[in-house]
Amino acid sequence: NAGVTQTPKFQVLKTGQSMTLQCAQDMNHEYMSWYRQDPGMGLRLIHYSVGAGITDQGEVPNGYNVSRSTTEDFPLRLLSAAPSQTSVYFCASRAAGGGVGYTFGSGTRLTVV
Amino acid sequence: SQKIEQNSEALNIQEGKTATLTCNYTNYSPAYLQWYRQDPGRGPVFLLLIRENEKEKRKERLKVTFDTTLKQSLFHITASQPADSATYLCAPHKDSNYQLIWGAGTKLIIKP
Repeated sequence: NAGVTQTPKFQVLKTGQSMTLQCAQDMNHEYMSWYRQDPGMGLRLIHYSVGAGITDQGEVPNGYNVSRSTTEDFPLRLLSAAPSQTSVYFCASRAAGGGVGYTFGSGTRLTVV
Repeated sequence: SQKIEQNSEALNIQEGKTATLTCNYTNYSPAYLQWYRQDPGRGPVFLLLIRENEKEKRKERLKVTFDTTLKQSLFHITASQPADSATYLCAPHKDSNYQLIWGAGTKLIIKP
């Protein structure tokens, strides 16, 4: 099925560990974004990409890295996990142009202890 | 700073009635506004997009209005059903090369 695939669905990390959240889409979308969602708050943009080889920071980029070597994949790396990074992470993609909504993955629930 | 406000309290509606959700924004002049539905444990799902020059947009039982003077969008679900129970998110944005700014969402509960 076409869509955005995120792995893993759940992850527990110890403080200081690093890991990569995977995101892949098969819709040939140019735009991809990573968000975090915390209780009582709106989705907050971490990093985004407008095409392969192009990435930029969002609202809350500290502690995270991204790369976009292909149109399909947009991994998010946590460099040194902290308890403040406990959250639900969503990857989303959309086609270029106005008037288009985002397609979201099912999310990764991350707990840092 | 830009602020998007949605009613943080859950909205309880009787089945068959019209549910109306509100999205207010301040310090911002979006050209577009999107609405999404989110079920527990799932990612948001895109529902509707309305442009600033469109006062109203409809899709099946859904209707969205966009009042740039009041800085407000209203989201209506007519003939509501228990399956409409979910959290609804609004996200205004400026242009086609946009990054969305998200409200925290309103939880809608439709009672049979």
